[in-house]
Amino acid sequence: DNVLPQSPTTVAASPGEKVTITCHASSSGIYMNWHQQKSGTSPKLWIFDTSKLASGVPDRFSGSGSGTSYSLTINTMETEDAATYYCQQCCTNPPITFGAGTKLELK
Amino acid sequence: EMKLVESGGGLVQPGRSLKLSCAASGFSFNDYWMGWVRQAPGKGLEWIGEINQDSSTIKFSPPLKDKFTISRDNAQKTLYLQMNKLRSEDTAIYYCVREDAGVDFWGQGVMVTVSS
Repeated sequence: DNVLPQSPTTVAASPGEKVTITCHASSSGIYMNWHQQKSGTSPKLWIFDTSKLASGVPDRFSGSGSGTSYSLTINTMETEDAATYYCQQCCTNPPITFGAGTKLELK
Repeated sequence: EMKLVESGGGLVQPGRSLKLSCAASGFSFNDYWMGWVRQAPGKGLEWIGEINQDSSTIKFSPPLKDKFTISRDNAQKTLYLQMNKLRSEDTAIYYCVREDAGVDFWGQGVMVTVSS
């Protein structure tokens, strides 16, 4: 299966809590993006090129990583952040691969 | 405003074919790789394939390369996905996407249901 491992699969956080989601790339030298998907809607690009926030994304979000290990962090959880987050690597073979997804719930 | 609007979905019988369209607006369609991603009910995202700006390069996810064909019409700013020999496991929302070092913009998606 061409799916990148993400952990955790599901996480619940209270408002104000710090949340970190990790993703394991299949190789190094890739671009890593993150997408947010809320129930019943299409995904949105959230973080691109490992650490750059897409337009409109609050600065409580950050991305980091290198090699084959990447992460998305929410510094202080807010209600509106409840969603499923997918990592997505680019520019290797196959060209695009998604992570399995992490469902972030409000505690 | 940038938009990707998919159409052509619906209920189709197993073994039949279906062609999806994606109308692009609000950006220079000719300048971008475009692709398709699908999401089965309750499941994650699966990249299907991509096409470059002049249709000279088309790539697919290896497990899906024999089922799908991707094409584009730059004059009409439209992307297409031809799906053949459909099976129940192809039931999913199909998203048209713009690509720039990965997916950078998503359409709203169109549902395809394969059932007799």
